[in-house]
Amino acid sequence: AQTVTQSQPEMSVQEAETVTLSCTYDTSESDYYLFWYKQPPSRQMILVIRQEAYKQQNATENRFSVNFQKAAKSFSLKISDSQLGDAAMYFCASAGNTPLVFGKGTRLSVIA
Amino acid sequence: DGGITQSPKYLFRKEGQNVTLSCEQNLNHDAMYWYRQDPGQGLRLIYYSQIVNDFQKGDIAEGYSVSREKKESFPLTVTSAQKNPTAFYLCASSIPGGTFQSSYNEQFFGPGTRLTVL
Repeated sequence: AQTVTQSQPEMSVQEAETVTLSCTYDTSESDYYLFWYKQPPSRQMILVIRQEAYKQQNATENRFSVNFQKAAKSFSLKISDSQLGDAAMYFCASAGNTPLVFGKGTRLSVIA
Repeated sequence: DGGITQSPKYLFRKEGQNVTLSCEQNLNHDAMYWYRQDPGQGLRLIYYSQIVNDFQKGDIAEGYSVSREKKESFPLTVTSAQKNPTAFYLCASSIPGGTFQSSYNEQFFGPGTRLTVL
C-alpha cells in the first residue's frame, strides 16, 4: 500500500517570493510516479507537475520545480516568483500499480 | 472541446434516498475514477474502471455503487447505506497504458458535485 504525507496544513508566501511545500511518501513498489495537483477555490483539480521515479533529474514546469529525493522518499514542490493566482490547495499524490493516492493537502496563501 | 462534465453541480438528498451523480467524458479515455473529498482528508478513491463493463472498489466503496456500460459514462450512486454522504465528489479519467499504467498517466478531473444530505 502507498501512503502520502503532507506535514504542512497551511503555508503562506509573499508575492514574488519562493515557497517550498513538503511531501513524503511510502511505497513498496519499484516503479511509480509522483504528482503535484493544484485545487484553486473553483475546486477544479489541475496537474502542476509530475515526476517519474526512475528519472534522477528533477522535473520543472516554468515557475514550478520539484526536489525528488528517492532514498528519503521525499518529493517537495518549489514555487518561484509566487503570484496571487498560485493561492490554492496543493495535493501531493503517488501512483504505482494502483490508482493515485493523495496526501491531505497544503493550503497556500499568497500575500500581496 | 474535450473534457469531463459532472452534473449536477449541487445536489441535495433526503436521508434514506439513493442519488446518482453523473460523469461524462469525451476524451476517449478508457479509465475513469470516482473520488470523495472531505475537509482535511484529501481525495479518497471510491471506485475505478479501466474498461467498459468492469470496475473495482477503491478504499471507501461501502455505500456506493457504479456502472460502466459506456466508455464515456461512469455514474456513481450514493445509496442509503452510506452513513455520511455529505461531501464533494470528483470524477476523473485517464488513458491507460498497460497493466496499470493508467495510474501513470495524467488524470483529468471534472468540476465536481457537492452533495448535501438534509
